[in-house]
Amino acid sequence: EAQVTQNPRYLITVTGKKLTVTCSQNMNHEYMSWYRQDPGLGLRQIYYSMNVEVTDKGDVPEGYKVSRKEKRNFPLILESPSPNQTSLYFCASRGLSYEQYFGPGTRLTVT
Amino acid sequence: AQSVTQPDIHITVSEGASLELRCNYSYGATPYLFWYVQSPGQGLQLLLKYFSGDTLVQGIKGFEAEFKRSQSSFNLRKPSVHWSDAAEYFCAVGREAGNNRKLIWGLGTSLAVNP
Repeated sequence: EAQVTQNPRYLITVTGKKLTVTCSQNMNHEYMSWYRQDPGLGLRQIYYSMNVEVTDKGDVPEGYKVSRKEKRNFPLILESPSPNQTSLYFCASRGLSYEQYFGPGTRLTVT
Repeated sequence: AQSVTQPDIHITVSEGASLELRCNYSYGATPYLFWYVQSPGQGLQLLLKYFSGDTLVQGIKGFEAEFKRSQSSFNLRKPSVHWSDAAEYFCAVGREAGNNRKLIWGLGTSLAVNP
């Protein structure tokens, strides 16, 4: 089954404690991206990757890092999380078209 | 700048009633248009898309949408709503931004279905 998986689905952490949210896709897609979803602000792109070792900033990259060492994986790293990063995070991948496939989401709370 | 507007933040309909969710976009060229649905606690699932051709497109779960260039709209419709359709609906337009073929999202319409 074609899918995008994310882990963990829920995470509560404290300010400043580094965390990583993993994302994996099994569709051999070259393009992957991370979004955050906040009430009243919709979906905003954090980072995207066009291929292995090729990443770039989206609309709201501050406070986040990503890496793309393998085609299937695209982890999101928060080196020093802050409460304003409390949000619902989605990983997505796509093939050659605009159509994106989304993971189930990770709800992050930073206290 | 490209933008997507979903004028209705929240809509409530009765089960069995018809549904129309509005989406207006601002885009200079021929747009690629999408509707996604987000059920509670779930990710976003593609309902339907328009790239070109027939302006009335059919999607999954009995949904359809009509592209009207003159009105810059891509409204989503369903003739008879089911309780399971209660969800958040997002309209999006695709655009090229350098090498980033990205989606511009509306803020969503929350649909509630009364039994």
